[in-house]
Amino acid sequence: GENVEQHPSTLSVQEGDSAVIKCTYSDSASNYFPWYKQELGKRPQLIIDIRSNVGEKKDQRIAVTLNKTAKHFSLHITETQPEDSAVYFCAASMGDSSYKLIFGSGTRLLVRP
Amino acid sequence: DVKVTQSSRYLVKRTGEKVFLECVQDMDHENMFWYRQDPGLGLRLIYFSYDVKMKEKGDIPEGYSVSREKKERFSLILESASTNQTSMYLCASSSWGGYTFGSGTRLTVV
Repeated sequence: GENVEQHPSTLSVQEGDSAVIKCTYSDSASNYFPWYKQELGKRPQLIIDIRSNVGEKKDQRIAVTLNKTAKHFSLHITETQPEDSAVYFCAASMGDSSYKLIFGSGTRLLVRP
Repeated sequence: DVKVTQSSRYLVKRTGEKVFLECVQDMDHENMFWYRQDPGLGLRLIYFSYDVKMKEKGDIPEGYSVSREKKERFSLILESASTNQTSMYLCASSSWGGYTFGSGTRLTVV
C-alpha cells in the first residue's frame, strides 16, 4: 500500500540552530502535504502545508520544500527555540483527493537551551 | 475556530467490553476520521467517513466499527475490547486539506 517514510525519528539540536525533517511518499498522485506539531499531551496541530503546484512555502521560521520528481518533502525550522520541542508529523494525501492523509511515523525534536 | 471534541480524555475498560468513543465537530465538515497513535508507529487510520452514513475502512479496521448518523458526530466502537487496543485514539475532521484534531482519548484495556 501507499506509505510515507519520515526521518529522523529523533533530532536534538542546540537552541538557535536549524532543524530539518525529511519525508518521502510513494503515491505519485499525492498533491497535498501538511505538517503537524504535537506538543506533549496535546493534539496535533497543523503548522504549515504545501500543494503540489508549489515548490516551497515559508512562514516565519518554518519552511517546507517539495520535490515532486523525487517524491520528497522537507520541513525546515530556523533559529530553533525550546518551545519548538515537540513531535512533528508529515503527511501526504492519498491520490488526488486531499481529504485522506497518510502520516509519517513522527520525529521527536528536542531543542537544547 | 474549528472545534473537535472527544467525549472522554481517559478511559479504562475491561477485556471483552463494548466501548464507544464519541467525537463531535462544530464546523459542518464533511470528512471525519479516527486514528490511533502508538509510539514509533505514528498515526494509523482506523476508519473515515466522507458523509453521513458513509464510511470506509482505513489501514487497521479489524476489531473496530464506526457510526455516523449525523454530520457532526462520528463514533468509534470497539466491539469486544482487547488489551492490544490500549492506545491513544484521535478523531479529526476536515472539509478539504488540513485536519483539525480532537484532544484524544487515552484508552486502557485491562
